[in-house]
Amino acid sequence: DQQVKQNSPSLSVQEGRISILNCDYTNSMFDYFLWYKKYPAEGPTFLISISSIKDKNEDGRFTVFLNKSAKHLSLHIVPSQPGDSAVYFCAASEDGGSQGNLIFGKGTKLSVKP
Amino acid sequence: NAGVTQTPKFQVLKTGQSMTLQCAQDMNHEYMSWYRQDPGMGLRLIHYSVGAGITDQGEVPNGYNVSRSTTEDFPLRLLSAAPSQTSVYFCASSLTGDREQYFGPGTRLTVT
Repeated sequence: DQQVKQNSPSLSVQEGRISILNCDYTNSMFDYFLWYKKYPAEGPTFLISISSIKDKNEDGRFTVFLNKSAKHLSLHIVPSQPGDSAVYFCAASEDGGSQGNLIFGKGTKLSVKP
Repeated sequence: NAGVTQTPKFQVLKTGQSMTLQCAQDMNHEYMSWYRQDPGMGLRLIHYSVGAGITDQGEVPNGYNVSRSTTEDFPLRLLSAAPSQTSVYFCASSLTGDREQYFGPGTRLTVT
């Protein structure tokens, strides 16, 4: 059973507009969440993270929002740029739990059109 | 500081052959892991290690072996390759497994 779900396989956005990537999770013990970005033929690179004690974390054009009651997080990219075109993976972990690893979603492919 | 390195970048094997994918990191990270990425499947954990001499299975361990004799190296062995093991393999390392992991560039493996 998937514990981290990214229900949109792809998203297309116009340059300059906002990109919103969504992620849902089922394990209420997850307390740390991350977003990774992956270009073709490269390894994933860490983008931004958020602890469950927060509901928002911002880093430049990237903001992650966490809604614990809904078990939902989202990544906002404002403004979107063509260089943001990549696959974005959501990941979650449980601090000190039996699952001391990252659990990844299946990814969302973002295309930013000039 | 090279980060996480993986060799080879590409490999073609015949069914039944064996090989070792190499992974090394120079960040003195205790935690290392191997993932495979398949279309529409995301990143799935194969094996991981929380320190030298300690390894454990992830979500999809069958057909793979690992060992961790040093902090720096974490090789992944395929004892008898199968077409189902055609995939892109990523090695990662971090201070702890439940926080930011740093990924290598990947090895694209094709088994015919």
